[in-house]
Amino acid sequence: DQQVKQNSPSLSVQEGRISILNCDYTNSMFDYFLWYKKYPAEGPTFLISISSIKDKNEDGRFTVFLNKSAKHLSLHIVPSQPGDSAVYFCAAIMNNAGNMLTFGGGTRLMVKP
Amino acid sequence: DSGVTQTPKHLITATGQRVTLRCSPRSGDLSVYWYQQSLDQGLQFLIQYYNGEERAKGNILERFSAQQFPDLHSELNLSSLELGDSALYFCASSLQGTGNEQFFGPGTRLTVL
Repeated sequence: DQQVKQNSPSLSVQEGRISILNCDYTNSMFDYFLWYKKYPAEGPTFLISISSIKDKNEDGRFTVFLNKSAKHLSLHIVPSQPGDSAVYFCAAIMNNAGNMLTFGGGTRLMVKP
Repeated sequence: DSGVTQTPKHLITATGQRVTLRCSPRSGDLSVYWYQQSLDQGLQFLIQYYNGEERAKGNILERFSAQQFPDLHSELNLSSLELGDSALYFCASSLQGTGNEQFFGPGTRLTVL
């Protein structure tokens, strides 16, 4: 039973344009959602998070939107840069169930120059 | 560089063998997490330790065990290895046992032949 899903395994975007990565979840008990970025041969790197009581969080070029009624979140990257090419993982945490991250399957983003 | 170190980087062994993976958390972090990334299962939480005590357990097989030592480093022991145990094993750390941001190490790639 996959509680966090990223339905697009890959996404290709032109440099300078917007990248939108999507994530759906099934468990309404999640308290926080996070996005991690992963390059080959490296561990995941934290990008941005959002509390379940908010609907938007912004950090520089990265903005995460949360739609609780739809159980959907998205990561917007504007403008996209070639260095953003990586695998992006959506993850969720339930505070009363330990601090474990439940990850989606990842989306490979390719930003073309 | 996240500050989390993992050794070894690569490990090749045979079925039925036992291996130990080691993780040193970021300086000051009290909590350590282990995750497994396999091709068919994605990134999955195994176990969490906080200040030497087990805090949360995920889909960890009985053949696997972990501990966190007084100096806060952690070891993941995998025994009676099977082909399906081949995966990337990541360690992450965080300051507290709760809270959102976890810092990941570069991982240990285990290959079971």
